[in-house]
Amino acid sequence: DAGVIQSPRHEVTEMGQEVTLRCKPISGHDYLFWYRQTMMRGLELLIYFNNNVPIDDSGMPEDRFSAKMPNASFSTLKIQPSEPRDSAVYFCASSLESGATDTQYFGPGTRLTVL
Amino acid sequence: GIQVEQSPPDLILQEGANSTLRCNFSDSVNNLQWFHQNPWGQLINLFYIPSGTKQNGRLSATTVATERYSLLYISSSQTTDSGVYFCAGRVNQGGKLIFGQGTELSVKP
Repeated sequence: DAGVIQSPRHEVTEMGQEVTLRCKPISGHDYLFWYRQTMMRGLELLIYFNNNVPIDDSGMPEDRFSAKMPNASFSTLKIQPSEPRDSAVYFCASSLESGATDTQYFGPGTRLTVL
Repeated sequence: GIQVEQSPPDLILQEGANSTLRCNFSDSVNNLQWFHQNPWGQLINLFYIPSGTKQNGRLSATTVATERYSLLYISSSQTTDSGVYFCAGRVNQGGKLIFGQGTELSVKP
């Protein structure tokens, strides 16, 4: 298996622009997670999906952030409009189940820089 | 509150040395996991360790759930062990993981 795939790996944009991050989970995994990592706040969960349905979006910082999962093999995290404080590494992870063995497999991350 | 705390925040070792990393977690956190983030940023799951002890090569982990702590042991450390080690726990029901702030390990040759 190719693992969790994220694109782009790096994104540099200007304040005010729309940014779309993409994730392909491991085939057969029914949980998908979006995390953000910064020096100040560490790793924090933004939102997670179960069977394409958003379950907990309490970590989404504000209305500028939105996430979708139109099917089992694809998810997007969109920031519109982007701000410099959104600069971070965004990780996508997937797991087979959230239960006794809920090992999460992380993608390589997207490093976002908002100028 | 919901807390996952790690110690020490950073650690420098000489190659070949052993080390113990600690993770304390609050009552509402369970199903501890340990992750390693390598210097290139990749996060790798090391152990799913809600209780008891597991070993994988030079690494082992022990969680004492009743006392709300978990330990990660690294024996005969190698330079490739460098990076940040995170523990994370699930908050009650559901899939949400709460991460500690990490222990940054640097192994010198």
